[in-house]
Amino acid sequence: EPEVTQTPSHQVTQMGQEVILRCVPISNHLYFYWYRQILGQKVEFLVSFYNNEISEKSEIFDDQFSVERPDGSNFTLKIRSTKLEDSAMYFCASSEGARGYGYTFGSGTRLTVV
Amino acid sequence: QQQVKQSPQSLIVQKGGISIINCAYENTAFDYFPWYQQFPGKGPALLIAIRPDVSEKKEGRFTISFNKSAKQFSLHIMDSQPGDSATYFCAASKGNTGGFKTIFGAGTRLFVKA
Repeated sequence: EPEVTQTPSHQVTQMGQEVILRCVPISNHLYFYWYRQILGQKVEFLVSFYNNEISEKSEIFDDQFSVERPDGSNFTLKIRSTKLEDSAMYFCASSEGARGYGYTFGSGTRLTVV
Repeated sequence: QQQVKQSPQSLIVQKGGISIINCAYENTAFDYFPWYQQFPGKGPALLIAIRPDVSEKKEGRFTISFNKSAKQFSLHIMDSQPGDSATYFCAASKGNTGGFKTIFGAGTRLFVKA
């Protein structure tokens, strides 16, 4: 079964550093997303991406965050100047369509900011 | 208006019993209501989903009941098994041309006792 692949599975970074979280969505999916889940809490929307541009972003997704699809397969989330409160599981997801489709999530990257 | 409220927070059920998780939403523009199952250390996985023009959908032991007028929907797990022990998230989304943001409930931790 097709999978969304995320790397690394765990990233530890110093406060103030930049991190890049990587994702390889399912190859025939056109819509890409980042969500985050602070330990034990709900899954929160960060951003959706389609046709090489952001289609929607949440209030969490401020200037500290950026996304990119640098080639035909990777989808990255960059977090600049990380803060302690950025520690969370970050999930990449992709979907085949824009309406009425569920997501396929990756297994996540656990980001720990120390 | 963007919230999805989920209850209970946790649920313990005997093996073979019925697990019931309830959700309520406010935004009548939502047009897709998925349920996700999440095991520890994994991303959420789409379990079953329903559109608002249908009152019930069944897939194996999992059934969604949908009440459009009350803006409520629920997940029923029949013949619950220890392997069903996981966190369950209800969700709601509204499609648009650029993809769709999904709003997740806070999650229900289900434990099925053997």
